[in-house]
This record gives sequence, structure tokens and C-alpha cells, in this order.
Amino acid sequence: EAGVAQSPRYKIIEKRQSVAFWCNPISGHATLYWYQQILGQGPKLLIQFQNNGVVDDSQLPKDRFSAERLKGVDSTLKIQPAKLEDSAVYLCASSSLQGPPNQPQHFGDGTRLSIL
Amino acid sequence: SQQGEEDPQALSIQEGENATMNCSYKTSINNLQWYRQNSGRGLVHLILIRSNEREKHSGRLRVTLDTSKKSSSLLITASRAADTASYFCARSRGGADGLTFGKGTHLIIQP
Repeated sequence: EAGVAQSPRYKIIEKRQSVAFWCNPISGHATLYWYQQILGQGPKLLIQFQNNGVVDDSQLPKDRFSAERLKGVDSTLKIQPAKLEDSAVYLCASSSLQGPPNQPQHFGDGTRLSIL
Repeated sequence: SQQGEEDPQALSIQEGENATMNCSYKTSINNLQWYRQNSGRGLVHLILIRSNEREKHSGRLRVTLDTSKKSSSLLITASRAADTASYFCARSRGGADGLTFGKGTHLIIQP
């Protein structure tokens, strides 16, 4: 099966600009996650969708970050305006609700964002 | 916040040796998962251990869980150069909930 697709792989912008990332999960996976991974740290959950609804966005900085999954398939994450501290790798993951509970999460290779 | 902490932060061993990484966490879990991340890539799921399990094996991997000490360990036996990567433990409340990751252990296997 095809894996989680993310684009772009790299993005360089100046602070206060806006940026958007795109994710296409594994076909049939109802749950989609966005994580932020700062250099030298583990990923931190930003937002979780189940189909097109938000399950958890408690750690999403809502003053500048937004995300949507309108048709319950692919998703976009936007930052506007970007700050220097947003420099990180943004990882998308998906998991299936079918089968046994506690299905593993499948990750894309991420978008590496650099803020100048 | 990151509630899982791996130890050591970095580990360098010779090919063929065993590598052991430890993970501690602070709150209750439904299960604990281990992931591997190669440089510049996404995370790959390795193994999941439920809170009512004490040990689990998968190929050259062995995971233990001690819920009384809120700790887990990952053992990689007969290490290979291809095992060079960062390893993360992740706490799960269960179901499809998002994961809480630690800072990871960077493992280097010297040929």
C-alpha cells in the first residue's frame, strides 16, 4: 500500500510570512494526525482528526496555526504568521479504525520548515 | 509536554552487540509504543506493549514494561549498521488517541 504522502519536503520562509503543508494519508485511514518535531526532540501532537472532525487540538497554537480535513481524506496545515520558533519538521500520520484496537500510526517523511 | 523520557540520549556500540534503551513516563498508560526514525525520514512503528503485558518480542527486538516503576526498555540484539537511527517511546491512552513522545535515544552502530 502507498504510504502517507506529504508536500513540500522543504520550505524556507521569512518570519511573519504564511505557509501551508499538505498531507494525503493511507487510503481508508479515518484518523489523521499532525505533529511538530523540533530539532533534537520527539514529535508533539498538534491536532488529530477523525474523518473530517477534530478530535484533539489542545496543543495547537490557534492564534497562528490552522488545519482542515474537509472531505475526510487529505489535510492541510497552515501557519500565519510564522515565527522563528516554528522552525521544525511537520509530520503527518494516519491510522486505521478497522481491526483490533490500538492500530499503529503510519508517518510521512515530513516537511522541514525553516524560518529566516 | 513530553512525558516520556528516554535514556541514554545517545548510544554508540559495535555491530553485533546488544543495545538497550530505557523509557520512563509519568502518567497512566493504555499502551506504550516504540518507533524508529532514520535521519530525515518519518517514524516507523516497531512494537506496542499493552499495560497488562510485561514483555513482548518481535524479531531482534524485546520490549519490557514495568507499570509499577512507569518504565519500559527496548533491547535490540545482534545490532546491525542499519539499526543506526533515533528510537522513541510513545505513551498512548489507548484507541486512536494521539501519542506523547519522549526526546528519543540516538543509536549509532559502528561497523
